[in-house]
This record gives sequence, structure tokens and C-alpha cells, in this order.
Amino acid sequence: GENVEQHPSTLSVQEGDSAVIKCTYSDSASNYFPWYKQELGKGPQLIIDIRSNVGEKKDQRIAVTLNKTAKHFSLHITETQPEDSAVYFCAASPYTGRRALTFGSGTRLQVQP
Amino acid sequence: ETGVTQSPTHLIKTRGQQVTLRCSSQSGHNTVSWYQQALGQGPQFIFQYYREEENGRGNFPPRFSGLQFPNYSSELNVNALELDDSALYLCASSGELAGGRKGSYNEQFFGPGTRLTVL
Repeated sequence: GENVEQHPSTLSVQEGDSAVIKCTYSDSASNYFPWYKQELGKGPQLIIDIRSNVGEKKDQRIAVTLNKTAKHFSLHITETQPEDSAVYFCAASPYTGRRALTFGSGTRLQVQP
Repeated sequence: ETGVTQSPTHLIKTRGQQVTLRCSSQSGHNTVSWYQQALGQGPQFIFQYYREEENGRGNFPPRFSGLQFPNYSSELNVNALELDDSALYLCASSGELAGGRKGSYNEQFFGPGTRLTVL
């Protein structure tokens, strides 16, 4: 089955700096890669996703890149703000069929004011 | 358009008991997936329901079972509770949207979860 590894487990940045979180996956059948933000006491919130026919996608301060050959994908947050502090999860799934998400272990991002 | 809701918010049970958790999917979504999130870990896929049929299952024993109703809401049942079942149980909905709008079966929207504690 699919295995998703996520690094780093914790990340502390100064407000205004950039943050990068990296994930690798094992199953070449995976072709949908969402990122979720989870705040304390809440369910995961979908913040951005990318499909395997796209190498990069941006949404305001958030971008995701995908290297399908190397089975790597990354989340980039620019101009970080204190409200970006949360746990971020990457995930992978096939684009068709069951579409069960396999999650990474999470990155706790702390943005220092 | 309402989001995914789950009930109850918190639950405390003892070993050996049975529990039922409930989920209402986002308006019009016809697919519900259940995930278990242990403390400090990522969610783990339990199973998925599509139009009232189980549509795939993760590595969980048969004492984890589910249902989906005609209105696409869903239940997760766990029998013979064990201490390791203590976790946040998350429901996610996806699929078609109401009113002819096109949804995506890949985009899964999560509810707030039910925190289960087994003593």
C-alpha cells in the first residue's frame, strides 16, 4: 500500500519568513496530493491540492510543487503570519476508484510574532 | 450549503463496550469516508461509503463497521472497545453537489471529529 513520509515534524519561523514542508510517497498509482491544515480541536481543513498532471499550483501565499519522477511534493507558505500556526498534513491518493487518503505524520508549524 | 457535522463531540466508554458515531455529509455529497486519528499522528483510513455501499476498507478489524443512509449521512460502529481505540474519529464527505453543480470525488471535506476515550 501507499506510504507517505513528511518532514520536518516541527518547524518554527519568524513572522514574514517562508516555510517549506516536504513529503515523499511510495505508490506510483497515487496522482492526487492534497494538503490539510488542522488547528487545535478542529478537523483537517483542505488548503490546497495538486494533481499529477500539474507541476506547481499557487493560491495567494500558498504554493505546492510536485515532482512525480522523484515522488516528492512540497508545501510552500510565504510571508507567514501567526494565524498560519497549526499542524499541516500532506496526503496522497489515487485519482480514481476508492480514493482513500494516505496521510503523512504531520508538521507542527509555529510562527513567532 | 452546510458543512460536515459529527456527533457527539466527546465520548467516554469502557473496554468491551460498543459505540456509535454519527456524521452528516456536506449538502449533496454522496460519499463519506471515516478516519481514525491517534494523538500526534495523521488520520488513518477506516472505510468509505458511496451511495449506501461500502467502497473500500483500510486495515481495521471487522469490529469496525458502518452504514450510510439514503440521505448520505453515515454511522461508524465499534464493538468490543479496546484501549487503543481511543482517538479522534473523523468523517469526510466528497462527491456530487446538489443543484446540478459538479463536485469532486477527490476533494474530501472533514468534520470536526468525535473524541473517543476508552477507559
